[in-house]
Amino acid sequence: DQQVKQNSPSLSVQEGRISILNCDYTNSMFDYFLWYKKYPAEGPTFLISISSIKDKNEDGRFTVFLNKSAKHLSLHIVPSQPGDSAVYFCAASVYQGGSEKLVFGKGMKLTVNP
Amino acid sequence: GAGVSQTPSNKVTEKGKYVELRCDPISGHTALYWYRQSLGQGPEFLIYFQGTGAADDSGLPNDRFFAVRPEGSVSTLKIQRTERGDSAVYLCASSLMNSPLHFGNGTRLTVT
Repeated sequence: DQQVKQNSPSLSVQEGRISILNCDYTNSMFDYFLWYKKYPAEGPTFLISISSIKDKNEDGRFTVFLNKSAKHLSLHIVPSQPGDSAVYFCAASVYQGGSEKLVFGKGMKLTVNP
Repeated sequence: GAGVSQTPSNKVTEKGKYVELRCDPISGHTALYWYRQSLGQGPEFLIYFQGTGAADDSGLPNDRFFAVRPEGSVSTLKIQRTERGDSAVYLCASSLMNSPLHFGNGTRLTVT
């Protein structure tokens, strides 16, 4: 069973507009959430994270929102740029004494059109 | 290099053969992870090392899979009697304690 779900496989937006990527999870024990970005033939690259004690974390053009009651998080990218085109993975973990044993979603392919 | 290095980048092997995949983590990173990404899926956890010891190997699918990290740096993932279902991208990641994982570019394993 998928503990982390990214229900939309792809998203296409115009350059300069907002991109909103959604993620749902089922395990209420998750206490740390991350977004990774992946270009073809490369490994995933860490983008932004949020602890379960927060509901928002912002880093430049990227903001992650966490709604614990709904078990939902989202990544907002604004303004979107063509270089943001990639596959985005949502991931979650339970703190286990330092182990980042992440559970990933299936990913969403974002295309930003010039 | 500054990043996680994985070799080979591609490996094609016949069903039933033995393969070894190598990971060279970022210098100074004590934690090392192996993940496996099948087509259309996100990465799935296989094993976690803290130093030389496997602190969590709960993700290894069966006893054909084994990983070592004898000196607390380079790690090798070993797969015996490979099966076509083992075909995937095998990702290695390293990190400092309680810090985000840094992934390598992966080894694409194809079992024919």
